[in-house]
Amino acid sequence: QKEVEQNSGPLSVPEGAIASLNCTYSDRGSQSFFWYRQYSGKSPELIMSIYSNGDKEDGRFTAQLNKASQYVSLLIRDSQPSDSATYLCAVNEGAQKLVFGQGTRLTINP
Amino acid sequence: DGGITQSPKYLFRKEGQNVTLSCEQNLNHDAMYWYRQDPGQGLRLIYYSQIVNDFQKGDIAEGYSVSREKKESFPLTVTSAQKNPTAFYLCASSAGLAGGYNEQFFGPGTRLTVL
Repeated sequence: QKEVEQNSGPLSVPEGAIASLNCTYSDRGSQSFFWYRQYSGKSPELIMSIYSNGDKEDGRFTAQLNKASQYVSLLIRDSQPSDSATYLCAVNEGAQKLVFGQGTRLTINP
Repeated sequence: DGGITQSPKYLFRKEGQNVTLSCEQNLNHDAMYWYRQDPGQGLRLIYYSQIVNDFQKGDIAEGYSVSREKKESFPLTVTSAQKNPTAFYLCASSAGLAGGYNEQFFGPGTRLTVL
């Protein structure tokens, strides 16, 4: 069983600071990595995809991938109260499935 | 307006009843998925389908059944054999093998409660 591990939190960050979310995975063969944001009571929303080692930036979000160390992270710059949510890390298992971590609950304090 | 719809939003079931959750997508995606989420937990895969008339069991398929008669539709039946069905059920779709990287997009979910 492939595993994806996240710190469940809660992670508390002051408004305007950088929030850093981390995820490790067990399958060295994984090629596709995703971050989803899930507000309380709502469904997950895809916010970042990353497939190559290094950084990928999209607005205030940066995904970082290190395949050698088997971790992927998400940085949120200039954190806003609207960023308060649970963030799910997902990693491909073969060509057809994703394995999800348990999620990290993030709270941005005004 | 492309997207994934799920109905109903809330569903209440008596013990011993079968219920069917609807999932429809107009994204022309080949692959569709059903997940279950329990409070404070991640997503667990119930069933998935890559093409019409074909589907595979996920990690927690016992007590559930699906069909894929049309590309747009992937209904999930929660049977009376499912011991603890109260959960948030999420349907997702992706371009599938043709899409390459398997980005999955989710519907709004159905919250099922057993009375």
